[in-house]
Amino acid sequence: DVKVTQSSRYLVKRTGEKVFLECVQDMDHENMFWYRQDPGLGLRLIYFSYDVKMKEKGDIPEGYSVSREKKERFSLILESASTNQTSMYLCASLVAGAYNEQFFGPGTRLTVL
Amino acid sequence: QKEVEQNSGPLSVPEGAIASLNCTYSDRGSQSFFWYRQYSGKSPELIMFIYSNGDKEDGRFTAQLNKASQYVSLLIRDSQPSDSATYLCAVNENREDKIIFGKGTRLHILP
Repeated sequence: DVKVTQSSRYLVKRTGEKVFLECVQDMDHENMFWYRQDPGLGLRLIYFSYDVKMKEKGDIPEGYSVSREKKERFSLILESASTNQTSMYLCASLVAGAYNEQFFGPGTRLTVL
Repeated sequence: QKEVEQNSGPLSVPEGAIASLNCTYSDRGSQSFFWYRQYSGKSPELIMFIYSNGDKEDGRFTAQLNKASQYVSLLIRDSQPSDSATYLCAVNENREDKIIFGKGTRLHILP
């Protein structure tokens, strides 16, 4: 079974703090993704990565950055957290190939006070 | 702008009946199509994928794809209360290995 893990299930931070969300997958997938999910807005892609040290902006990259130093690990960084970044953050990895199935981690519920 | 459209629901179905969830997509070049189930407070779980026109069955679930009409559906037979969840339709942009998600349909199975 594919396993995607995220560093925290729940996180509470204060406005202006730097926040690190980590994601690890154990299936040697090239492609990894960070989404946020908010009621009524669905899943929105923040950043994705095709390979180590490679990153691409998604639909809503503002206020975020990412790091992929190792193939299995993809980190999302909030440089200066704001209240409008309170959300559920979901990491996913994808089996690149014929069908491109994508698998999600358990999610991190981030609250910024 | 490539889009995946779903009715947000809620769709209420009596226990034991067939639940039918529908999805349309805008990109004719899409190759792979996915259905995810998401329980409240949990992450999406992949339950079905389909890539050829026609039907694909897995247990109580059947995915149906019609590329000419740009339409994909999920049928759940013998619906159970545990099927109550939000179902996300997703479509693959092969060119970029990205997945485009619909906003989901909330399904409520009535005991």
